[in-house]
Amino acid sequence: NAGVTQTPKFRVLKTGQSMTLLCAQDMNHEYMYWYRQDPGMGLRLIHYSVGEGTTAKGEVPDGYNVSRLKKQNFLLGLESAAPSQTSVYFCASRPPQGWIEKLFFGSGTQLSVL
Amino acid sequence: DQQVKQNSPSLSVQEGRISILNCDYTNSMFDYFLWYKKYPAEGPTFLISISSIKDKNEDGRFTVFLNKSAKHLSLHIVPSQPGDSAVYFCAATFTNAGKSTFGDGTTLTVKP
Repeated sequence: NAGVTQTPKFRVLKTGQSMTLLCAQDMNHEYMYWYRQDPGMGLRLIHYSVGEGTTAKGEVPDGYNVSRLKKQNFLLGLESAAPSQTSVYFCASRPPQGWIEKLFFGSGTQLSVL
Repeated sequence: DQQVKQNSPSLSVQEGRISILNCDYTNSMFDYFLWYKKYPAEGPTFLISISSIKDKNEDGRFTVFLNKSAKHLSLHIVPSQPGDSAVYFCAATFTNAGKSTFGDGTTLTVKP
């Protein structure tokens, strides 16, 4: 049972390069999330999705785009990476509202932008 | 405006003693609270939660207390074990929010 899988685990980018982070879950969860965690700070929500084909902005959406074309996948894109986007990125998923509220997290992607 | 605050960045306790981690919130709409535990190089994992209709919830060595009037919750770990050493995040949400708001975390170190 894989749960939430993030790809890649590590990545180094140069300023201005683009990349896509992939999140896949096999629990048939409706809701999916992208968070970033910076040193000494909590998890800040970038974007989230409450179902296939839907996306919404979180607290820190600027510089990122997302897509949820399939229920099991949630993609996070950086069109033009900046050093301020150096962070650890976590994907999470959960069942719909009214079910158990807890989030299931992936193991994270360490991204460095030089 | 940070809606969920964990004012202690770190806490160190002796093995066998009680660990108390605190969390304050400002949004009175929050009605469900969760604690997550995070080890280095891993994603956070759910630990325990509490609904606003309760003031206490226990799960083994872990107990969460909620004081709604003070907008404060705490996580008690008794007895503390070295394997409990991790970062603990407090999170809050409300009905139909669809998302949780996290505190900055408290790093717990349990010394043998």
